[in-house]
Amino acid sequence: AQSVSQHNHHVILSEAASLELGCNYSYGGTVNLFWYVQYPGQHLQLLLKYFSGDPLVKGIKGFEAEFIKSKFSFNLRKPSVQWSDTAEYFCAVRPSNTGKLIFGQGTTLQVKP
Amino acid sequence: EAQVTQNPRYLITVTGKKLTVTCSQNMNHEYMSWYRQDPGLGLRQIYYSMNVEVTDKGDVPEGYKVSRKEKRNFPLILESPSPNQTSLYFCASSSGTYYEQYFGPGTRLTVT
Repeated sequence: AQSVSQHNHHVILSEAASLELGCNYSYGGTVNLFWYVQYPGQHLQLLLKYFSGDPLVKGIKGFEAEFIKSKFSFNLRKPSVQWSDTAEYFCAVRPSNTGKLIFGQGTTLQVKP
Repeated sequence: EAQVTQNPRYLITVTGKKLTVTCSQNMNHEYMSWYRQDPGLGLRQIYYSMNVEVTDKGDVPEGYKVSRKEKRNFPLILESPSPNQTSLYFCASSSGTYYEQYFGPGTRLTVT
């Protein structure tokens, strides 16, 4: 069965530290990839997405992610986190030509001021 | 304002009492979907709809029903709720499967 795995469940960083959140998926075909963020008490919102082309994609608020097809990975990065980045982050994968969207378990990021 | 709305936002009910959670979007989106969010499990897709009268199962459809009679609405029906359906439910919509999904505010359901 298709699945998405986020390696880190809870990450604590100090402001200005660099961030990398891992995401791996199990599906052999073409996929679309997403990172969503859920700030405390708010809706999920899209950070960035990959459909095709340049495997390094940039999103909002200084986030970026790199798709490495050979590793089935789509890791999220940010060079310098801020206290306002405290949130839960979800990786999601959509197998091509389906309406399914499969989420990872989520990573809670806590940034200490 | 473009948005996805869900009602009710909070609901406490008893086992076996049928309930419906409504979802409505004002963006003329073709695609709509329901998810449940549980601690440590992330979001899991319950059902989705590619267009009016077209629905399909997600990963956890058991115990749920949906209908898509009109484009803007996609209600989630629990015919006989059970305690294991206690969860946070999100509705989402998008222009199509190739586009980002816009999420509603969530409905927190407790079944006792």
